[in-house]
Amino acid sequence: QVQLQESGPGLVKPSETLSLTCTVSGGSISSYYWSWIRQPAGKGLEWIGRIYTSGFTDYNPSLKSRVTLSVDTSKNEFSLKLRSVTASDTAVYYCARDGIGGLAWGQGTLVTVSS
Amino acid sequence: DIVMTQSPLSLPVTPGEPASISCRSTQSLLRSNGYNYLDWYLQKPGQSPQLLIYLGSTRASGVPGRFSGSGSDTDFTLKISRVEAEDVGVYYCMQALETPFTFGQGTRLEIK
Repeated sequence: QVQLQESGPGLVKPSETLSLTCTVSGGSISSYYWSWIRQPAGKGLEWIGRIYTSGFTDYNPSLKSRVTLSVDTSKNEFSLKLRSVTASDTAVYYCARDGIGGLAWGQGTLVTVSS
Repeated sequence: DIVMTQSPLSLPVTPGEPASISCRSTQSLLRSNGYNYLDWYLQKPGQSPQLLIYLGSTRASGVPGRFSGSGSDTDFTLKISRVEAEDVGVYYCMQALETPFTFGQGTRLEIK
């Protein structure tokens, strides 16, 4: 059974870049889409974007100008970069495997944007 | 973007009683292959969301039989035949027809 684990700094300063990595275990990263979703405290879920293992990307237009996704198949991991962050980017960030049978989620990691 | 609307937003239920959550989309989630691209997730307190139902009505592996999904086009329903204490949490529908994927606001199920 695939397992996903997010990692990265829990605190990012305003205007800087948020960087997270998702490590996939229990299966190959190949031949799937891999998504990022975020959830501000006490609020709903927002899909950020996804990447296929070929490198094809698909972003939420609301964040497209600030987001870059990448994948490293040799390490079985994929990554998120969100530039020019503000306090409104404070959220729990989840990575997920995206397949025809729904999303399989990681446990999530809290990222706080604060000086 | 496709807008997903859930109701009710709060659902108090007595254990053993049934529960039902509605999810509506602003455009049809039915593809020409006959499948509705609608998923249901449950986020238990302090946890990440877990998949319950995909393609509108297919139960995910390990999901108890008391959960069922139905509906087509723009109207969908998640039903719990007999609610148990472990079912508390926030239920979300999500459309997977097109990106950006979008979620309903969430329905908080609580035990009376």
